[in-house]
Amino acid sequence: AQKVTQAQTEISVVEKEDVTLDCVYETRDTTYYLFWYKQPPSGELVFLIRRNSFDEQNEISGRYSWNFQKSTSSFNFTITASQVVDSAVYFCALSFYGQNFVFGPGTRLSVLP
Amino acid sequence: NAGVTQTPKFRVLKTGQSMTLLCAQDMNHEYMYWYRQDPGMGLRLIHYSVGEGTTAKGEVPDGYNVSRLKKQNFLLGLESAAPSQTSVYFCASRQLAANTGELFFGEGSRLTVL
Repeated sequence: AQKVTQAQTEISVVEKEDVTLDCVYETRDTTYYLFWYKQPPSGELVFLIRRNSFDEQNEISGRYSWNFQKSTSSFNFTITASQVVDSAVYFCALSFYGQNFVFGPGTRLSVLP
Repeated sequence: NAGVTQTPKFRVLKTGQSMTLLCAQDMNHEYMYWYRQDPGMGLRLIHYSVGEGTTAKGEVPDGYNVSRLKKQNFLLGLESAAPSQTSVYFCASRQLAANTGELFFGEGSRLTVL
């Protein structure tokens, strides 16, 4: 069975702190895709990144970085020097070739000024 | 760019009433989905469609029906609303050619069933 676990329900940090959001997935497929979405207080879902199972390179985009480790089935998301605008619910998701997405329960990040 | 548009954005129903949520996308996407979002449970798939005229059940289909008569539209119906269907509903779409690509979401529809 496919499953995505985000063990951190809520995280609070003070602005400028670094924060890592954990994502652990379960699948027996060898080809799969991992995603992160952001849901700010306004409610829309914003796509952040897609990673396929054959590409274990870490990725950096500005203050955001992602660490994909197949050995531990994890796809963690780090925000460096957090800002108040980073406050949101973050979802990790798993997808398969031509199949549907499986979402984690989400992590609510609060960045305090 | 409209992308994925959901109507209505908010609705309050009484138990037993019926309603339809409309999702429209202008990106010529083949795949369309309806999810519901409840606190602590992430997004759960209700129904989906892989093309015009086709629909399939997702994880939590009971109490809902869908139709995809036109490629750009995906309707979600509640025939007899129940308080357990109080939720935020999201429609999403994605391309067939990029069937490993990301989902494009609508802004959500908040439904309250009293």
